[in-house]
Amino acid sequence: DAGVTQSPTHLIKTRGQQVTLRCSPKSGHDTVSWYQQALGQGPQFIFQYYEEEERQRGNFPDRFSGHQFPNYSSELNVNALLLGDSALYLCASSLGPSSGTRETQYFGPGTRLLVL
Amino acid sequence: AQSVSQHNHHVILSEAASLELGCNYSYGGTVNLFWYVQYPGQHLQLLLKYFSGDPLVKGIKGFEAEFIKSKFSFNLRKPSVQWSDTAEYFCAVIASGGSYIPTFGRGTSLIVHP
Repeated sequence: DAGVTQSPTHLIKTRGQQVTLRCSPKSGHDTVSWYQQALGQGPQFIFQYYEEEERQRGNFPDRFSGHQFPNYSSELNVNALLLGDSALYLCASSLGPSSGTRETQYFGPGTRLLVL
Repeated sequence: AQSVSQHNHHVILSEAASLELGCNYSYGGTVNLFWYVQYPGQHLQLLLKYFSGDPLVKGIKGFEAEFIKSKFSFNLRKPSVQWSDTAEYFCAVIASGGSYIPTFGRGTSLIVHP
């Protein structure tokens, strides 16, 4: 049973560029959440997708956008990259919509993004 | 908006020592509380969670946490740590009944010497 997978594992970009990160949820899960984890900090919630729609959003600018596909996989897009966007980006999957907070989230290994 | 404080950023213990990691949150309503662990080179994974009922929650690998509502705390404990407990520990809070926006603490790095 495959867990949550993310690609790529590492990425280097320059300021102003755009980046797309990908996530495949754990088998049977239909909800995907994205987090940003800066060095020495805990994960910060970016947004959550369920039924191909953004259901909840944290305090992140519109430069951060996402998408969920019919197979439940998801993409995180970041436009006009800033140095401060350098971080580990985590994807987590769960079963059920955002109201189902009792469902355990399963995290992927993350994508480490470095912006130069 | 809720916030989470983990007071101990770095903890170093010897094997068999007892562990208590502090977690305090700020939110006046009902909360769901979590402790996650990230072992070196591994994914973030759930240690234990509290939604309601018995405030003493038992998790995997001998960990437990106690929810003290009056103190807005959810401290993690283990009576006797092992070298394999070396990891980063994160406390997280979700305000129940509201928008699903989990808030994580900044984490505590635990090193256990054999």
